[in-house]
Amino acid sequence: AQTVTQSQPEMSVQEAETVTLSCTYDTSENNYYLFWYKQPPSRQMILVIRQEAYKQQNATENRFSVNFQKAAKSFSLKISDSQLGDTAMYFCAFMNSGGYQKVTFGTGTKLQVIP
Amino acid sequence: DVKVTQSSRYLVKRTGEKVFLECVQDMDHENMFWYRQDPGLGLRLIYFSYDVKMKEKGDIPEGYSVSREKKERFSLILESASTNQTSMYLCASSPGMWTDGPGQPQHFGDGTRLSIL
Repeated sequence: AQTVTQSQPEMSVQEAETVTLSCTYDTSENNYYLFWYKQPPSRQMILVIRQEAYKQQNATENRFSVNFQKAAKSFSLKISDSQLGDTAMYFCAFMNSGGYQKVTFGTGTKLQVIP
Repeated sequence: DVKVTQSSRYLVKRTGEKVFLECVQDMDHENMFWYRQDPGLGLRLIYFSYDVKMKEKGDIPEGYSVSREKKERFSLILESASTNQTSMYLCASSPGMWTDGPGQPQHFGDGTRLSIL
């Protein structure tokens, strides 16, 4: 079974600064998908970014980018120019390419952006 | 826009009660999922369904059952609620692999915070 590890339960960053959230995973598969989800306080979980394992290029969505290291099984999220609205729980998630599209989630990192 | 609606934001029930949590999606998605979210444990999959009347156990199915009689609706049932089932419950949906290709992200509802007294 796949496992996803987020080793930073809580982090904080000053507004306008850059922060990196770590994620490692374990799989024997060669083709898979990785995600970062954001869950603001008392609000809905939303997708931040998606990475396909067979694509070498790191995914980017505005201020959010990933550093995908396939050999190291590492998938970190970088948030640039942090904003107060980035305060949230962030979950790293793994999905196999086949099967029922099940997702395995990490335990989450609580990010606080400080004004 | 994609919409997953959970019937209640907050729910309080008593031990031994039969509890129903309802989830409806309006995107015609094949896949639907039920998770529970607990601090320090992340999201854990209870059950999922990949088609009407089809269901599969997730990682923690004990004490739960599900029903999917229509494509848009996926119900989670606590047969006899216990205090250790106090948690946040999240419903999600996603397109089938044969519909939109593999690796499609899941779309979540707002969650139901369930307290069992």
